Amino acid sequence: DGGITQSPKYLFRKEGQNVTLSCEQNLNHDAMYWYRQDPGQGLRLIYYSQIVNDFQKGDIAEGYSVSREKKESFPLTVTSAQKNPTAFYLCASSPRDRAHMNTEAFFGQGTRLTVV
Amino acid sequence: GDSVTQMEGPVTLSEEAFLTINCTYTATGYPSLFWYVQYPGEGLQLLLKATKADDKGSNKGFEATYRKETTSFHLEKGSVQVSDSAVYFCALRKGDYKLSFGAGTTVTVRA
Repeated sequence: DGGITQSPKYLFRKEGQNVTLSCEQNLNHDAMYWYRQDPGQGLRLIYYSQIVNDFQKGDIAEGYSVSREKKESFPLTVTSAQKNPTAFYLCASSPRDRAHMNTEAFFGQGTRLTVV
Repeated sequence: GDSVTQMEGPVTLSEEAFLTINCTYTATGYPSLFWYVQYPGEGLQLLLKATKADDKGSNKGFEATYRKETTSFHLEKGSVQVSDSAVYFCALRKGDYKLSFGAGTTVTVRA
């Protein structure tokens, strides 16, 4: 089945540690996104990538880093510089070709990160 | 820039009540409009979409009509069930650019 897989579902991090959240898609989508969701809040864009080896900062990129070495993968690293990393993280992807302009994004099931 | 304004919640209803969640947008050109639903602890799922003016998206008893003259895409359901309890997000996308989301509306349906 095609889709987006995020792992792990739950992640615990000690203060001062970096952690990496995995996001893999087999939908052959060019564009991928990372969002952060806090309790009772909407979605805030962290980073997005429209093509391999290229990515742009979203609205809240400070304390996060990403890479896009493969089309299928867009891992997010939460660094120790992120002051309040406890949140629900969502990865998404969407096509960019001319035949799929204006189409929806597809989401993974999310990773809940807790700092202990 | 493009933006979406969504009715704030939370909304609490009884089963079989009528649900409406208002959504208005600001964008140049002709974006596509979406409603996503998020159940507790899960990611977002596409509920319905409309890609041009006057289109009506529908799914699982939910409907929304793309109104360009009022820049709106209000979500409606005639008779809600407990299983419709979730967070609903309105969103837009123009071309190959990123999605813009509303703040989300939490809906609770009581038996």
